[in-house]
Amino acid sequence: DTGVSQNPRHKITKRGQNVTFRCDPISEHNRLYWYRQTLGQGPEFLTYFQNEAQLEKSRLLSDRFSAERPKGSFSTLEIQRTEQGDSAMYLCASSSKPGTGPLEQYFGPGTRLTVT
Amino acid sequence: AQSVTQLDSQVPVFEEAPVELRCNYSSSVSVYLFWYVQYPNQGLQLLLKYLSGSTLVKGINGFEAEFNKSQTSFHLRKPSVHISDTAEYFCAVIPDPGLASTNAGKSTFGDGTTLTVKP
Repeated sequence: DTGVSQNPRHKITKRGQNVTFRCDPISEHNRLYWYRQTLGQGPEFLTYFQNEAQLEKSRLLSDRFSAERPKGSFSTLEIQRTEQGDSAMYLCASSSKPGTGPLEQYFGPGTRLTVT
Repeated sequence: AQSVTQLDSQVPVFEEAPVELRCNYSSSVSVYLFWYVQYPNQGLQLLLKYLSGSTLVKGINGFEAEFNKSQTSFHLRKPSVHISDTAEYFCAVIPDPGLASTNAGKSTFGDGTTLTVKP
């Protein structure tokens, strides 16, 4: 299967704990995106990478959030000192760099975070 | 900056009836437009896209959409729906990456339309 994969699919944590999610993009894609989706809302952009460079971060991404893509392949999203408001579905997507392939983003199944 | 408005949060229809899901957008630069479908507990799947050329685009599962630049709309249609079309549908825009000084990687999504197909 060459689709986007995310792990874990579900995470339940207590407030104040740190969590880390992983995303493995489609292998030939050099762009990787993170979104957050809450119930009844569309995905909200958090950040994106081109290869290993983080090109943009949303103001939604507070200091407690950090994302990395160290070798330009998989990416991790870490949330420190989780709060109940962090409960959401975290979606990862990948795409080609403009001019090198199709622009559309391919999404993973998401990681559902519940903070108790 | 871009914004996307999906005019109907819920659309109930009977099986085999036609359906239209409405999407309007706002942008100061030219954009590419997309429709995605999301089934429960799954990620988003691309239905169709408009980049340039013919304003009527066809996608998977019998869906089509028409880009109307003057009305800044990109409505999704299907002439005859099935029970299996029940899902959440999202309209999204991306700034034209050929333009300078744009947020080339940032997609803006609408809040979604829940399509419920009843037997």
